[in-house]
Amino acid sequence: KQEVTQIPAALSVPEGENLVLNCSFTDSAIYNLQWFRQDPGKGLTSLLLIQSSQREQTSGRLNASLDKSSGRSTLYIAASQPGDSATYLCASPTSGTYKYIFGTGTRLKVLA
Amino acid sequence: NAGVMQNPRHLVRRRGQEARLRCSPMKGHSHVYWYRQLPEEGLKFMVYLQKENIIDESGMPKERFSAEFPKEGPSILRIQQVVRGDSAAYFCASSPEGGTEAFFGQGTRLTVV
Repeated sequence: KQEVTQIPAALSVPEGENLVLNCSFTDSAIYNLQWFRQDPGKGLTSLLLIQSSQREQTSGRLNASLDKSSGRSTLYIAASQPGDSATYLCASPTSGTYKYIFGTGTRLKVLA
Repeated sequence: NAGVMQNPRHLVRRRGQEARLRCSPMKGHSHVYWYRQLPEEGLKFMVYLQKENIIDESGMPKERFSAEFPKEGPSILRIQQVVRGDSAAYFCASSPEGGTEAFFGQGTRLTVV
């Protein structure tokens, strides 16, 4: 049974810092792993999707890596900005489905 | 191609009333998933449907909750006799047959007063 864990639960950094968010999963037979952003009271915004055959994906200041053997994914945010403040969720579907298992998220605050 | 559409975005119900949440998947998508996010908690899977079939309802509460995805029209998540503990954000996602990604709607925020 897939379990997804995210650390840290909360993070506060000054503007301009590079930072890493961590996601661990227990079932390495994953289709893909997806990172989302959620603003307070809002929906989910998909940031990056890494297929199981890929090692990383990049979009602008964001880079996500996937290491299936160790059951880990990281989301790297370069030159953080106050607008990056949000909760970041990672999720992976259980084998053979799109039944996503979500982590509980990392609440990021970037201070101006 | 519009994204996954959920309505209403916000819904207020009194205890004991019924709540109906609608989800229109992306065009061409035949798989729908419902998730619930309780306050200060992560998203939890509730039910997976294909057209006219419930594939997996392992995350659905045993009573008062039901879901359908008819041949025509949106998927409906129905909550009967709502209680305060049903207050949450309900998210829908859809994917195509053989697709590699699920796409999420903006959610419906249910408040039970």
